[in-house]
This record gives sequence, C-alpha cells and structure tokens, in this order.
Amino acid sequence: QEKVQQSPESLIVPEGAMVSLNCSFSDSASQSIWWYQQHPGKGPKALISIFSNGNKKEGRLTVYLNRASLHVSLHIKDSQPSDSAVYLCAVSRNNNAPRFGAGTKLSVKP
Amino acid sequence: AQTIHQWPVAEIKAVGSPLSLGCTIKGKSSPNLYWYWQATGGTLQQLFYSITVGQVESVVQLNLSASRPKDDQFILSTEKLLLSHSGFYLCAWSPRGPNQDTQYFGPGTRLLVL
Repeated sequence: QEKVQQSPESLIVPEGAMVSLNCSFSDSASQSIWWYQQHPGKGPKALISIFSNGNKKEGRLTVYLNRASLHVSLHIKDSQPSDSAVYLCAVSRNNNAPRFGAGTKLSVKP
Repeated sequence: AQTIHQWPVAEIKAVGSPLSLGCTIKGKSSPNLYWYWQATGGTLQQLFYSITVGQVESVVQLNLSASRPKDDQFILSTEKLLLSHSGFYLCAWSPRGPNQDTQYFGPGTRLLVL
C-alpha cells in the first residue's frame, strides 16, 4: 500500500525566506502528486499538481518531482505570514484514492 | 463559480446515536464527489466516492455509509456512532474522476462522539 511521508514535521521561518517541503512516496507507479494547503479548522485547498518528472512553477510555488528517488518537493519563494498553514502531499495511481501524508506545519514569522 | 456547502458545521453526539452529514455542490453539473475523514492529528483518508447519482463506492470501511440522492448532494450517515468516529469530515468534488483530477474541498464538519 502506498506510503507517503512528509518532512519536516514543522518549520518556522522568517518572512521572506525560501521554504522547502519534502514528500517521499513508496509506489514507483504513482502517477499524480498534489500539494494542498490547510489552515486550522478548514478544508484543504489545492495549490499545485505535477504528473511528469521534472519541475513546475506557478507564481511563488515550484514543485520538483524525481520518480527515480520517489521524491517530490515544494518550494515557496518569498514566504508570507499568510502562508502559515499545514501543507499536505497527496499521491495517487490510476483511479485509486489519493494517499495523503501527515503534513508539514509551516509558521512564517513577521 | 462552484461552491461547496457542508452541514452541520459541528456536532456533538452520543455513542450509539445516529448521524447524518450533508454536502451540496452548486455551479457544477455531474461532479465526482468524495467523503474524507481526518482524525484529530491524523492523516486525511478517503471514505467514499461517487461518480453519478445513486452510485457510491466504498474506499475504507468505518461502519459508515454514503448516498447520493441528487446530482449535487452527497450524504454520509450511520445508525450507530462509535467513539472512533470523532474527527473532521470533509466533502470534496472534482470535475473528472474518480480521483483523476484536483479535488476541491468543502469547509468540513467537526464531529465529537462522547
């Protein structure tokens, strides 16, 4: 069964810092990866997805996927206090339900 | 724009009592619908999905059931709550599916079973 592990568990950075979040998965046949942002007591919000090996950039977000090492990372440039939230990695194969990681709690201090 | 509404916002229920949670999607016809559960401090887990009215697939057995009585409505229920049912219940939809596309989550229902 697909296992999704995220690191670090939590992260505190100053405003304006570059943030790097990591996600490792176990199934090399996994096809789709999503990153979600979840504020306390709210539903997750989709940020960015990637399906092919390589990288994808959207605004301040860049995601890198390395299928050979079963690793995906999310980088947030110029972090803002409003970026403070839990970031969830979700991995899916074919039509199977996505497997979510436990999340990384990010705090951006002004 | 599509909007997703969940009700109730929160519930406190007794063990053994029945439960019904609802979800409505507006602005999107024939969405793929999902129910998720998030235990306090736990990971998000998909429980059910539905691609059309009257058709629901179970992903995880948690002594819960789901139904889709209308194109825009998804219901999660049980006749007898357990302590382990406590947590955060989220409804989500996607334009394609099942599980083929980005999923858009509702605001959630917080459930406490005592």
